[in-house]
Amino acid sequence: EVQLVESGGGLVQPGRSLKLSCLASGFTFSNYGMNWIRQAPGKGLEWVASISSSSSYIYYADTVKGRFTISRDNAKNTLYLQMTSLRSEDTALYYCARRGYDGYYPLWFAYWGQGTLVTVSS
Amino acid sequence: DVVLTQTPVAQPVTLGDQASISCRSSQSLVHSNGNTYLEWYLQKPGQSPQLLIYKVSNRFSGVPDRFIGSGSGSDFTLKISRVEPEDLGVYYCFQATHDPPTFGGGTKLELK
Repeated sequence: EVQLVESGGGLVQPGRSLKLSCLASGFTFSNYGMNWIRQAPGKGLEWVASISSSSSYIYYADTVKGRFTISRDNAKNTLYLQMTSLRSEDTALYYCARRGYDGYYPLWFAYWGQGTLVTVSS
Repeated sequence: DVVLTQTPVAQPVTLGDQASISCRSSQSLVHSNGNTYLEWYLQKPGQSPQLLIYKVSNRFSGVPDRFIGSGSGSDFTLKISRVEPEDLGVYYCFQATHDPPTFGGGTKLELK
């Protein structure tokens, strides 16, 4: 069974940093691209960042580019999101999600974790 | 960025009825490779989103056949026939044809 467990969220002051983790199990982590998606309280979904299976390809939303860094450690089955220069508008539930495939056709967010809450406030 | 406009914002339904959600894109979602990267997700109350439909009309593993995705170009629809209690929640369309990938604003399926 695919499992994704996020951690690392919490209350942080504006301008500070925080690092999120997503521990994967139930599948061969190194074979799949991974993503971070966030959801501000009471709002919709926003894609944040993506990383390919071998970290060769990395993409960010403009709202976080230059402040957030997505990375992964395939030996530890773990996805990360390093967040710096945090702003109040970064307050959200952060989900990690795994890619899927139908043959060669990509499915963007086939499996989701339960999320970890980041609150940016003084 | 591509804007996905979902209508209605809220859809009151009676259990057993059919529901229909529209997702219109500000640009065609046909990729240069011929694929249309349009997906539908459902977020049940208090839960993480789950993938329902990919490639416009393909049901993800375990998704009941009462969920039917259709459409082309920039106009897409998700129909849910015979709505059941576990179908209630917020539905999001999502496109990955154009960078950056974007979600629609969501449609809340709720009891009438």
